[in-house]
Amino acid sequence: QKEVEQDPGPLSVPEGAIVSLNCTYSNSAFQYFMWYRQYSRKGPELLMYTYSSGNKEDGRFTAQVDKSSKYISLFIRDSQPSDSATYLCAMSEGAQKLVFGQGTRLTINP
Amino acid sequence: DGGITQSPKYLFRKEGQNVTLSCEQNLNHDAMYWYRQDPGQGLRLIYYSQIVNDFQKGDIAEGYSVSREKKESFPLTVTSAQKNPTAFYLCASSISVASYEQYFGPGTRLTVT
Repeated sequence: QKEVEQDPGPLSVPEGAIVSLNCTYSNSAFQYFMWYRQYSRKGPELLMYTYSSGNKEDGRFTAQVDKSSKYISLFIRDSQPSDSATYLCAMSEGAQKLVFGQGTRLTINP
Repeated sequence: DGGITQSPKYLFRKEGQNVTLSCEQNLNHDAMYWYRQDPGQGLRLIYYSQIVNDFQKGDIAEGYSVSREKKESFPLTVTSAQKNPTAFYLCASSISVASYEQYFGPGTRLTVT
């Protein structure tokens, strides 16, 4: 079993829809949770970061962490075609190594 | 412009040849990383370096080697011992190894035939 599981998709939704992306994990020592966005043939860029449990909102993006269920989510409201990308969850115990999910390929259709 | 550069963007090699991928950063970051990305597998850590002249193996170091002679540079050599070298290679850096935020380069797609 992988330490971090993420549904690879692909996921295709109409413009304006609410998108939910999820990851589950097995290591209860993870404390730092991140979402990276990767456009085709580019390097990933950090989108959201959350420490421990709770919610964090940034514009149309909301990150949620539920440590009791070992489950994290990224919600995208009012999705736009420019949100089409691969979204990678990543997490760490605190230093050094990030563990990445497989990435979910998202397409927003105009 | 601060950032990470990787060159070349595309690289083709014959099986049995060693090949070196370049990674340079001007962010004054201490830590640097090499990842490999394959379809459906996410990013897997090959090597990382916390400081000049120091580096550690990641999860899939076999068949790869690195050096860190300068703070700005962290080249990765894919040796002929790497059984399946065709992949997208990403270099990243962070302020320190304790930082959660890693900045990625644009990647190099290596194809070995």
